[in-house]
Amino acid sequence: LAKTTQPISMDSYEGQEVNITCSHNNIATNDYITWYQQFPSQGPRFIIQGYKTKVTNEVASLFIPADRKSSTLSLPRVSLSDTAVYYCLVGDEDTGRRALTFGSGTRLQVQP
Amino acid sequence: DTGVSQNPRHKITKRGQNVTFRCDPISEHNRLYWYRQTLGQGPEFLTYFQNEAQLEKSRLLSDRFSAERPKGSFSTLEIQRTEQGDSAMYLCASSPGHTNSYNEQFFGPGTRLTVL
Repeated sequence: LAKTTQPISMDSYEGQEVNITCSHNNIATNDYITWYQQFPSQGPRFIIQGYKTKVTNEVASLFIPADRKSSTLSLPRVSLSDTAVYYCLVGDEDTGRRALTFGSGTRLQVQP
Repeated sequence: DTGVSQNPRHKITKRGQNVTFRCDPISEHNRLYWYRQTLGQGPEFLTYFQNEAQLEKSRLLSDRFSAERPKGSFSTLEIQRTEQGDSAMYLCASSPGHTNSYNEQFFGPGTRLTVL
């Protein structure tokens, strides 16, 4: 399984754009990049998934360079409620691997 | 609420006792997963069901742990002879079976187990 590396923590202020970068140097050809968000005392929540270039939804954008060895989750204009742990996961959509493999995540603290 | 539900939300038990947790997945989802999460760490996979069949088990799932999904709907996770090291949040997740997407899973709120 491809290993991911992301910052342990980040601080931001309300209204700022936050970019969390994840490195996955050993990503395989069939692997997708998925991000989850987790609030205290809740289960993780799927945010976004991508394979290459850029993906955008109502919550975030995901930027993936051509070599796919890293990815950046972009949260526009964060608010206090975006304070959470963000996990970057890499895995394929094939039937070979069914479990999600989480790392320790990035703890984002948004200040007023 | 049509999300994944878990009961109980909290469980305190004494070492050596048995505990059982229940998970009710989203109704049309035939894939169900159990994870365990300790403080400061991401969730760790325990086991996976497709309908009633248990198709994958982690090495973390010792012989004191057993999971069932008898009718392909709700699932139970039982821990026998609990140990203090079993203290953790136990998370259940489900996903639909009509796609090949294992990467989007819907998590419940978890059951927090404290073993004294």
